[in-house]
Amino acid sequence: GAGVSQSPSNKVTEKGKDVELRCDPISGHTALYWYRQSLGQGLEFLIYFQGNSAPDKSGLPSDRFSAERTGGSVSTLTIQRTQQEDSAVYLCASSLEGTGDTQYFGPGTRLTVL
Amino acid sequence: AQSVSQHNHHVILSEAASLELGCNYSYGGTVNLFWYVQYPGQHLQLLLKYFSGDPLVKGIKGFEAEFIKSKFSFNLRKPSVQWSDTAEYFCAVSTGRRALTFGSGTRLQVQP
Repeated sequence: GAGVSQSPSNKVTEKGKDVELRCDPISGHTALYWYRQSLGQGLEFLIYFQGNSAPDKSGLPSDRFSAERTGGSVSTLTIQRTQQEDSAVYLCASSLEGTGDTQYFGPGTRLTVL
Repeated sequence: AQSVSQHNHHVILSEAASLELGCNYSYGGTVNLFWYVQYPGQHLQLLLKYFSGDPLVKGIKGFEAEFIKSKFSFNLRKPSVQWSDTAEYFCAVSTGRRALTFGSGTRLQVQP
C-alpha cells in the first residue's frame, strides 16, 4: 500500500506566523511519530502517538509546538509564532505497533522561517 | 536517558573498499537497534534491525551489523562499497515506550 505521506513538502513562512504540517500514516499503523531534522543536528524526537493512549510529548522543544492525531490516523503538527530556529525538515513516521516496531518515514516537510 | 553516538561524521571511501561505521548506545536494559539510510534526495528507509536472537544481522544491499551487548555497540559493515552507497547513515535505538533515539548520522561518500 501507500507509504507515509506529508504535506506540504516545502513551507516558507515569516517569523511570528503559525504553521500546520500534516502527516498521513500507513493505513492500519497504530503508532505515529514526529521528528525534526536540523542541519548538523541529526534527528530529534518531538512527539509520539500510540493508539488511544496519551501522547508522549517529551520531545517538544517549547509550548509553541503541539500536535494532534484525529481518529487514530492523520496527524497535524502545529508551530505557533514561528522562530528562525524552527527552520528544519519535519519528519513523520508510523509503525504497525509500538516503539519496538520498524518505523516507516515520510518524505518530510522542509520548513523555512524567514 | 538513552543516547546514541556515531563516531564517524564524514567518511570518504573508494569503490570496493570495506566499510565499518561505529555506533554506541547508552542504556542498560533491553534495546531494539536500527540502522536507517537516507540516499540523496530520498527519505529515510530501514537498512536493518536487531530485536533479539542472532547478534549478526543482515540487511539490504549487502549490509550487516553486529550487536555486541558487552560493548553497547551496533556497528554497520559492508565488505565492498559501491558508488550507489553514497548516503547518510543513522543508527537508532528504541527502548520500552520511548520513540527512536537517533545518532547524529554519518555521511558516507564513495568515490568511483
